[in-house]
Amino acid sequence: QSVLTQPPSVSGAPGQRVTISCTGSSSNIGARYDVHWYQQLPGTAPKLLIYGNKNRPSGVPDRFSGSKSGTSASLAITGLQAEDEADYYCHSYDSSLSDVVFGGGTKLTVL
Amino acid sequence: EVQLVESGGGLVKPGESLRLSCAASGFTFRGYSMNWVRQAPGKGLEWVSSISSSSSYIYYADSVKGRFTISRDNAKNSLYLQMDSLRAEDTAVYYCARDAITGTTGGGNNWFDPWGQGTLVTASS
Repeated sequence: QSVLTQPPSVSGAPGQRVTISCTGSSSNIGARYDVHWYQQLPGTAPKLLIYGNKNRPSGVPDRFSGSKSGTSASLAITGLQAEDEADYYCHSYDSSLSDVVFGGGTKLTVL
Repeated sequence: EVQLVESGGGLVKPGESLRLSCAASGFTFRGYSMNWVRQAPGKGLEWVSSISSSSSYIYYADSVKGRFTISRDNAKNSLYLQMDSLRAEDTAVYYCARDAITGTTGGGNNWFDPWGQGTLVTASS
């Protein structure tokens, strides 16, 4: 059971908007620790998608955006494309565990 | 180009040992904290261990504490993970990943970028 909770799967048609939630608690996201997001395409290593809650590294399309409020964070993807089909993971820090923590991952299917 | 390349994975029996390596290139290795993250087959990401740039700070997940040892050789631009008393549940792809910003103590709230391609460790009889 992951400290950060993500839905196992989400789906959307090409061109649509989807959001992926990452729910934590007062010892991680709610304690003002930043949330980062990674995209893992099938058979490849994770790739940084969003850092510091809402910042995109260079090269990441602006179709991807992140936000954080209270004990939760969200990743939004607009204008869905077939190439966005991947697993997405949130990442933060937990002060009670004194550990780096990841969400369980969300599989995005583009219909 | 910033690059991380893991090696050393393989098939071992439960109770045996294995040493993973991660060769870094394209950046000033001694300036960054480094991390190991693993992914069991069909499962999510699990943080394993972190080490600061000068090896002064070292952190482990409870699941590997006392069995795994992280280390680095800044002269060789290399990161290591010594895995002893391996268990079936340690079976996973092991990734090395760099703290994205320099000067951190590691094991904190920093994001990881880049990641290596991973090396598969299988502990099975």
